[in-house]
Amino acid sequence: QSVLTQPPSASGTPGQRVTISCSGSFSNIGNNHVYWYQQLPGTAPKLLIYRNTQRPSGVPDRFSGSKSGTSASLAISGLRSEDEADYYCAAWDDSLSGYVFGPGTKVTVL
Amino acid sequence: EVQLVESGGGLVQPGGSLRLSCAASGFTFSDHWMHWVRQAPGKGLVWVSRITTDGRSTSQAASVKGRLSISRDNAKNTLFLQMDGLRAEDTAMYYCVREGLSGTVPNDSFDVWGQGTMVIVSP
Repeated sequence: QSVLTQPPSASGTPGQRVTISCSGSFSNIGNNHVYWYQQLPGTAPKLLIYRNTQRPSGVPDRFSGSKSGTSASLAISGLRSEDEADYYCAAWDDSLSGYVFGPGTKVTVL
Repeated sequence: EVQLVESGGGLVQPGGSLRLSCAASGFTFSDHWMHWVRQAPGKGLVWVSRITTDGRSTSQAASVKGRLSISRDNAKNTLFLQMDGLRAEDTAMYYCVREGLSGTVPNDSFDVWGQGTMVIVSP
């Protein structure tokens, strides 16, 4: 059982906006920053969003993150076929004294 | 080019040991906290362990405490994971991961990942 909760799947047609939620508790999301990672099929994960809303250089502005209380969201606007991947949220957990990942959300472009 | 290259994975029997290595290049290794993250086949990401820049402080997930031990050699730009008492549930791809910096302070982001090395624990 993951400490963070994500929907197992999300989908949309090219050009649509897709949102992925990540729910936690005060000890993780509520008191710490949230990070999002993209894992394309057969590859290592890649940092997509850091400190809730920040994009590393090279990440398109189609990707955006937000956080409110003990929940966070990743939005992908202008969905493209190359966005088909697994997306994971993550945060430090004060109670566990370790990092926790969500179970991942598989995004499918229809 | 910033790069992390893992090695040392393979097939090992339950109860056996393995030592993973991660060679870092293209950045000042000793400036960064480092981590191991694993992923069982078809499953999600699981954080395993973290080590500070000088190697004096480490932390591990409860599931591996006492069996998997992280260390580093800054002179050789290399991160290690000593794996003892291996179990079937340790079967996974093991990723070496760099923690990013905000200025000179670790910022909790996993900003560089290696390609991974596979560990299979089976009789």
